[in-house]
Amino acid sequence: DAKTTQPPSMDCAEGRAANLPCNHSTISGNEYVYWYRQIHSQGPQYIIHGLKNNETNEMASLIITEDRKSSTLILPHATLRDTAVYYCIVRSNQGGKLIFGQGTELSVKP
Amino acid sequence: DVKVTQSSRYLVKRTGEKVFLECVQDMDHENMFWYRQDPGLGLRLIYFSYDVKMKEKGDIPEGYSVSREKKERFSLILESASTNQTSMYLCASSSGLSGAQPQHFGDGTRLSIL
Repeated sequence: DAKTTQPPSMDCAEGRAANLPCNHSTISGNEYVYWYRQIHSQGPQYIIHGLKNNETNEMASLIITEDRKSSTLILPHATLRDTAVYYCIVRSNQGGKLIFGQGTELSVKP
Repeated sequence: DVKVTQSSRYLVKRTGEKVFLECVQDMDHENMFWYRQDPGLGLRLIYFSYDVKMKEKGDIPEGYSVSREKKERFSLILESASTNQTSMYLCASSSGLSGAQPQHFGDGTRLSIL
């Protein structure tokens, strides 16, 4: 699975959009981009995933660049409860285990 | 919504004890996984199961065994607990093994071995 690079930390004001970037320049054509988050002392929570097209669900939007070398997770209206570590993962179509990197620690501030 | 339930959030056991961690999912998923999560080491796969009574070793199976007698339940067993098995244990399930199917996690069991 391709490696991902994320900023170690970010701040966001409550009510504003949180845009979390991820670089995955070595991604191959059959690899998915996944996002999970983990609130302290809880299990990881699945957020969204995509292959080529942008995706949206009730939690977030995923924007994947045309060359697929980077992506952005967008939380449209961040709340204090969105404070967590966010993990961007590249996963092959053959699936298998998840490999979490260091992630981005997002702090949403009032 | 997928619900993965782990039997205990916190557990304290003694060295040498046999420890059982239980996980139940309510989405009729074929596949279930056990990971452990340690600071600086990320998530490591211990075992997974793709069907009832079927199991496959992950990256770090030594000192552990698993049991899957029913589709919804996947148990992790520490045969003789040791202090280096103190960790956060995470159970996950998915409807398939391909990259298109997300894994859904429980809240974890924080296990301390004294």
